[in-house]
Amino acid sequence: AQKITQTQPGMFVQEKEAVTLDCTYDTSDQSYGLFWYKQPSSGEMIFLIYQGSYDEQNATEGRYSLNFQKARKSANLVISASQLGDSAMYFCAMRASRAAGNKLTFGGGTRVLVKP
Amino acid sequence: DTEVTQTPKHLVMGMTNKKSLKCEQHMGHRAMYWYKQKAKKPPELMFVYSYEKLSINESVPSRFSPECPNSSLLNLHLHALQPEDSALYLCASSLASTGRDEQYFGPGTRLTVT
Repeated sequence: AQKITQTQPGMFVQEKEAVTLDCTYDTSDQSYGLFWYKQPSSGEMIFLIYQGSYDEQNATEGRYSLNFQKARKSANLVISASQLGDSAMYFCAMRASRAAGNKLTFGGGTRVLVKP
Repeated sequence: DTEVTQTPKHLVMGMTNKKSLKCEQHMGHRAMYWYKQKAKKPPELMFVYSYEKLSINESVPSRFSPECPNSSLLNLHLHALQPEDSALYLCASSLASTGRDEQYFGPGTRLTVT
C-alpha cells in the first residue's frame, strides 16, 4: 500500500520569499511517480510538477522545484519568490507503477497563505 | 485546449431527487475520473474510466452511477443521496490510464444534499 504524509497543515510565507512544503511517502514499489497539485479556494486542482522515481535530476517548472531525496523517501516542493496568488492548498500525490487505473494517493495537504 | 469543464458549478438537491453531473474534455484523453472531496480533506477516487469502460469502482454506493457515453464525456448520475454525500465532486482526465500522465482536473461541482 502507498502512503503520503504532509506534516505541515498550514503555513504563512512573506511575499517574494521562498517556501518549502514537506512531503514524505511510503511504497514498496521501485517505479513510481510523485505529483504536486495546487488547489485554490475556487476548488480546481492545478497540476504543478512531476518527479519520476528513476529521474536523476530534480524536476523544475518555473518557480516550482521538487527536492527529491529518494533514500529518505521525500519529495518536497519549493516555491521561489512567493506571490499572493500562491495562497492555496497544496497536495502531494503518488502513483505507483502497479496501481491500476492511474490511481493517485494524496497526502492530507498543506494550506499556504502568502502575506503582503 | 487543456480544459476540463464541469456542470453545474453548484447543485442543491433533496434526498429523493435524481440529478446528474456532467464532465467534458476535448484533449483526446482516454482516461476519465470522478473524485469526491470533503472540506479540508484530499480528493478520494470514486471511479475510473479507461477507453470508455469502467476500470475502477472504489466500492462506491449504488446511489452514484457513472456513465461514459463517449471518449469526451463523463456523467455521474445521483439518486437517493444522503446529507453526508454533500461534497465537492471533481472530474479529471489523463492521456491514458497507465504511465506518468498527469491528471487534469475540472473546477468541480459543489453538491449540497438537503
